[in-house]
Amino acid sequence: GESVGLHLPTLSVQEGDNSIINCAYSNSASDYFIWYKQESGKGPQFIIDIRSNMDKRQGQRVTVLLNKTVKHLSLQIAATQPGDSAVYFCAEKGKEYGNKLVFGAGTILRVKS
Amino acid sequence: DTGVSQDPRHKITKRGQNVTFRCDPISEHNRLYWYRQTLGQGPEFLTYFQNEAQLEKSRLLSDRFSAERPKGSFSTLEIQRTEQGDSAMYLCASSLSGMNTEAFFGQGTRLTVV
Repeated sequence: GESVGLHLPTLSVQEGDNSIINCAYSNSASDYFIWYKQESGKGPQFIIDIRSNMDKRQGQRVTVLLNKTVKHLSLQIAATQPGDSAVYFCAEKGKEYGNKLVFGAGTILRVKS
Repeated sequence: DTGVSQDPRHKITKRGQNVTFRCDPISEHNRLYWYRQTLGQGPEFLTYFQNEAQLEKSRLLSDRFSAERPKGSFSTLEIQRTEQGDSAMYLCASSLSGMNTEAFFGQGTRLTVV
């Protein structure tokens, strides 16, 4: 398979532990954020989103936290599984960017069994 | 399968040739986006359509690139006179209109220019 993200930051976690992936976004006026998971050779897969009027949102095994003061977004994955291994991207959207998503650099998550 | 569909999944072409990729969005989605992704990078915006209207194009989209969405459903992205620097994954996404609506991506077309 393809090796994605040779120069991306990497987070290695033990199976069953919780993972926290961080993202610093660019525009203080952005008002919508999405986390995507991308496996090697595949397109990004939607995980969870959050609007700027919230600071926390929970999904199944995932939680997104938004800190607008420092323009920081995090994705928490509970009980990380081998299938969670992938590259994770945060994306932001706002009036300054029009109707498009602007992606961050990505983080590789490696889950050790 | 009711997700975003892209064709072909892989394309190898010689420098100077023209290539065309197709994207079929989720059927009720009126917005369609094209992105390009190179190794180790996040997707970079190229262009987007609302229905059949192309509303925004990135500076990345040189005059060798053209995209169409003639009936507001599927879209094509054509690259003329391909260059080695065009080698990348070309991703299509679709969404409903509105500021805060999630975009869903297809599996991408991997282009290799030799």
